Amino acid sequence: GAGVSQSPSNKVTEKGKDVELRCDPISGHTALYWYRQSLGQGLEFLIYFQGNSAPDKSGLPSDRFSAERTGGSVSTLTIQRTQQEDSAVYLCASSPGRGPYEQYFGPGTRLTVT
Amino acid sequence: GDSVTQMEGPVTLSEEAFLTINCTYTATGYPSLFWYVQYPGEGLQLLLKATKADDKGSNKGFEATYRKETTSFHLEKGSVQVSDSAVYFCALSDPRGGGGADGLTFGKGTHLIIQP
Repeated sequence: GAGVSQSPSNKVTEKGKDVELRCDPISGHTALYWYRQSLGQGLEFLIYFQGNSAPDKSGLPSDRFSAERTGGSVSTLTIQRTQQEDSAVYLCASSPGRGPYEQYFGPGTRLTVT
Repeated sequence: GDSVTQMEGPVTLSEEAFLTINCTYTATGYPSLFWYVQYPGEGLQLLLKATKADDKGSNKGFEATYRKETTSFHLEKGSVQVSDSAVYFCALSDPRGGGGADGLTFGKGTHLIIQP
């Protein structure tokens, strides 16, 4: 079956612009996660959704970052007023539910802020 | 908060050598432990996991044992192949932990290079 998909695969934007990153999880997976992978910080957890609600937003690095999930499926991560330090690969993962399930990762969106 | 520490490498070995990648963790609760692998040009994928103390996870010849007494989850393989060249990430999930409890906490990753 189809895995986790993310779009776009690459995004180059100018400092100060807003960007939207999209994640399509595996069908039927209720849990969805966003991570950021950068050279300096490694892999960082950003936010977690169970269904459409986000009980844990503690990893979002600033109030410029927000995320939503609709219909228990697609999720969008929005970064407002992008900064150069936002440049990273943004990864999405989904799993069948809470708990020690395997998280299935998408290929990521490489964001470059110039 | 929770954390994972692993050797960063790069680790360079010859084919058929024995591999150990060390991983230690700190956690508030009783975490589940994972090894993820990222092959060149590919996404992260689960290699193996263990959900309680003394569990051994194994897959593709790799294995790791959850050691609560030493808070460790070292990855081992008896005879590595060139195709094992990748970046390996140790991670934990700690539902009783603090912030980020429902996400994975990753180590920095270990770049493994296997030479023929």
